[in-house]
Amino acid sequence: SSELTQDPGVSVALGQTVRITCQGDSLRIYYASWYQQKPGQAPVLVIYGKNNRPSGIPDRFSGSSSGNTASLTIAGAQAEDEADYYCSSRDSSDDHHWVFGGGTKLTVL
Amino acid sequence: QLQLQESGPGLVKPSETLSLTCTVSGGSISSNSYYWGWIRQPPGKALEWIGSIFYTGTTYYNPSLKARVTISVDTSKNQFSLNLNSVTAADTAVYYCASHELLRVRDGFHIWGQGTMVTVSS
Repeated sequence: SSELTQDPGVSVALGQTVRITCQGDSLRIYYASWYQQKPGQAPVLVIYGKNNRPSGIPDRFSGSSSGNTASLTIAGAQAEDEADYYCSSRDSSDDHHWVFGGGTKLTVL
Repeated sequence: QLQLQESGPGLVKPSETLSLTCTVSGGSISSNSYYWGWIRQPPGKALEWIGSIFYTGTTYYNPSLKARVTISVDTSKNQFSLNLNSVTAADTAVYYCASHELLRVRDGFHIWGQGTMVTVSS
């Protein structure tokens, strides 16, 4: 099955731009989706498909992809963006299966 | 607005079966637009997809759990369920139910339940 690799931790100064990346062979074929998870809460989808935001997600969140790497960019990070971020995609060995990355802890300084 | 809610025991003994139910509200589980899935998260660890089901009963399971997992659907109750047998302490986790859509351009788990903590302990 596929694997998705994320950096364990990333930090950003308040108001600056940060990119969180996700690498895996499945990303050459399938879109990544991105989830924000705050302590004690369920994950929330923030980016899906090519670069789509569900209703209610601020437009400072955007997604992109190149080769085997998907990226989540937060432009002008806010204190409330401090959270764990997970990427996910379909599995390249079976497109009815799903895989998640190990998560990235975003710290807003 | 689609909503999902997990329910079930918070404590399961080792070697027994973990059983959880997810109740769908605000929409029909018999929709041909959604798959219904289970995802878990051990304390301090990453999310792990367990499996998904379509309202017709077609199922897909994580290969690493396939031997122990059964997901079923009850359209009359607008619910789907997870059974995980022969549990060990490694199955201690928050269990989430979530929905994902058939359309590939909308790939992602759009709606999540609040999650339910299940501890495996004697």
